[in-house]
Amino acid sequence: DQQVKQNSPSLSVQEGRISILNCDYTNSMFDYFLWYKKYPAEGPTFLISISSIKDKNEDGRFTVFLNKSAKHLSLHIVPSQPGDSAVYFCAASELAGGTSYGKLTFGQGTILTVHP
Amino acid sequence: KAGVTQTPRYLIKTRGQQVTLSCSPISGHRSVSWYQQTPGQGLQFLFEYFSETQRNKGNFPGRFSGRQFSNSRSEMNVSTLELGDSALYLCASRGTSGARVDEQYFGPGTRLTVT
Repeated sequence: DQQVKQNSPSLSVQEGRISILNCDYTNSMFDYFLWYKKYPAEGPTFLISISSIKDKNEDGRFTVFLNKSAKHLSLHIVPSQPGDSAVYFCAASELAGGTSYGKLTFGQGTILTVHP
Repeated sequence: KAGVTQTPRYLIKTRGQQVTLSCSPISGHRSVSWYQQTPGQGLQFLFEYFSETQRNKGNFPGRFSGRQFSNSRSEMNVSTLELGDSALYLCASRGTSGARVDEQYFGPGTRLTVT
């Protein structure tokens, strides 16, 4: 049972354009969402996060949108740069309460390629 | 501030052997989580330690175990290795200003190959 899904295995975008990465979740107990970027042979790097009490969070070129009713979130990268080419993971955590400590549930990842 | 460090970076073991991986969290971080990454299953949570206590455990067999020391460094151990244990093992640490997960910061991982 995959509780966090990234349905697009890959995305190809031209430099300077917008990249939109999508993520869906099924567990209504999730209340905190994160995006990570990963290069080969390295650990995931934290990018941006959003709490369920918000619907948008922005940090420079990165914006995350959350639609709780649709159980959907997306990461927008504007403008996209070749250095953004990596695997992007969506992750979620449940409400604190004993079973959620330190646990992130990850999607399968989307490979983003930004062409010069 | 130094990031999360993991040793060794690469390891080759034979089926039936055991292995111990080490993780040093970011200075001041007391929570350490471990994840397994495989092509088929993606990133899966193994367990989390805080103040030398395991607070949460994922759905892995008892062959996977861990511990945390008083300086917050953590080790994970896999006994009786199987071919399917070949994976990238990632350690993540986070600050603990509250009971929330918040952002976890990952190390580079240990690539374990079981032959």
